[in-house]
Amino acid sequence: DIVMTQTPLSSLVALGQPASISCTSSQSLVHSDGNTYLSWLQQRPGQPPRLLIYKISNRFSGVPDRFSGSGAGTDFTLKISRVEAEDVGLYYCTQTTQFPHTFGQGTKLEIK
Amino acid sequence: QVQLVESGGGVVQPGRSLRLSCAVSGLTFSSHAMHWVRQAPGKGLEWVAVISYDGSNKNYADSLKGRFTISRDNSKNTVYLQMDSLRVEDTAVYYCASDLFPYWGQGTLVTVSS
Repeated sequence: DIVMTQTPLSSLVALGQPASISCTSSQSLVHSDGNTYLSWLQQRPGQPPRLLIYKISNRFSGVPDRFSGSGAGTDFTLKISRVEAEDVGLYYCTQTTQFPHTFGQGTKLEIK
Repeated sequence: QVQLVESGGGVVQPGRSLRLSCAVSGLTFSSHAMHWVRQAPGKGLEWVAVISYDGSNKNYADSLKGRFTISRDNSKNTVYLQMDSLRVEDTAVYYCASDLFPYWGQGTLVTVSS
């Protein structure tokens, strides 16, 4: 199974400041079709997960442009350019390149 | 808009069975693979299973093979999760989600307890 490792597991960020979460996979996430199926999800307290980014860097519909994704192969990053109060919650990377699909442990984002 | 509504959760004794349903609207259901993902209390997300758009292919988390079965009825726009031989550690909120995870339901809580 592909293991997804996120760092940090917890992040305290002041409003308006940037935040960054890293995700490393134990194997390359490049699919045989050439795509890299690495996504980022946000889970606000008491809510289901919400897709932010798919295929490394594509923002899903309605996601603010302060969220961006980057990376390749086994190393990926989610960046929030200026953290807002509504960004509090858990962030997960996930790979859907290979079965079984797997998630990172989650990173808790809090406001300083 | 797209809606996914799970149902069928509840309290069940260890060793018993439960069937979850997820009704989908606002999406061309028969064109999309569907997933089940679960989240134990206070824990992270765990992928459970996926079924292809036509039901011909299914994949499961290794730890659940043989106990859980995913199925779908495209005439009813519904995906199911049959859970047998339930264990205490299966206690979780179970979410259905469409392929590549753009759409999620609100989840249904399954509690396995004697």
